[in-house]
Amino acid sequence: SYEVTQPPSVSVSPGQTASITCSGDKLGDKYVCWYQQKPGQSPVLVIYQDTQRPSGIPERFSGSNSGNTAILTISGTQAMDEADYYCQAWASTTAPSFGGGTKLTVL
Amino acid sequence: QVQLVQSGAEVKKPGASVKVSCKASGYTFTNYGLSWVRQAPGQGLEWMGWISTYNGNTNYAQKLQGRVTMTADTLTSTAYMELRSLRSDDTAVYYCARFYCSDGACYYNFDNWGQGTLVTISS
Repeated sequence: SYEVTQPPSVSVSPGQTASITCSGDKLGDKYVCWYQQKPGQSPVLVIYQDTQRPSGIPERFSGSNSGNTAILTISGTQAMDEADYYCQAWASTTAPSFGGGTKLTVL
Repeated sequence: QVQLVQSGAEVKKPGASVKVSCKASGYTFTNYGLSWVRQAPGQGLEWMGWISTYNGNTNYAQKLQGRVTMTADTLTSTAYMELRSLRSDDTAVYYCARFYCSDGACYYNFDNWGQGTLVTISS
């Protein structure tokens, strides 16, 4: 199965930019989604197909995907953005694969 | 509004089976596939498989092949996930999540999730 790797944790100060990476072999050839999960809640899709933002997701969330790395960027990070973030890669010929998750701490 | 409502928590003994349901509302059931994802306590998300609600086709994660069956009832807009020969490491919250399909192509962006069903395996 296809593997994607995330850093276990990322810290950011309020108002600063947080970047969470997701790495995999030729990841740029696949689509990447990002999910936010807060404790005790179901995951929420925040970025799909590399760069698209679902309705209702703040503009401060953005994504990119090229080469072997996808990046979720949160601009002007707020305390409410503290959560676990999961990347998920997929392609028409590849089963969906989740990264191990990154705990974002806003301090 | 779109809702995926799952069945309640279960406690099972090792070796038993469990069947979790996911009732969809607020959209055309057969326009979206359903995937199942689980999360062990304190761990990350694990994709288990998906079912096409349009034609019943399934695709299961290799590690669960032979133990999992996913079905869908279009009359009641309900999907089911059955897991057999349960082990302690199957203890997890199980989620259903929908993805869009059109003209034979599916887009595995899980845009709506159920509330989760805790399945506990304990002797």
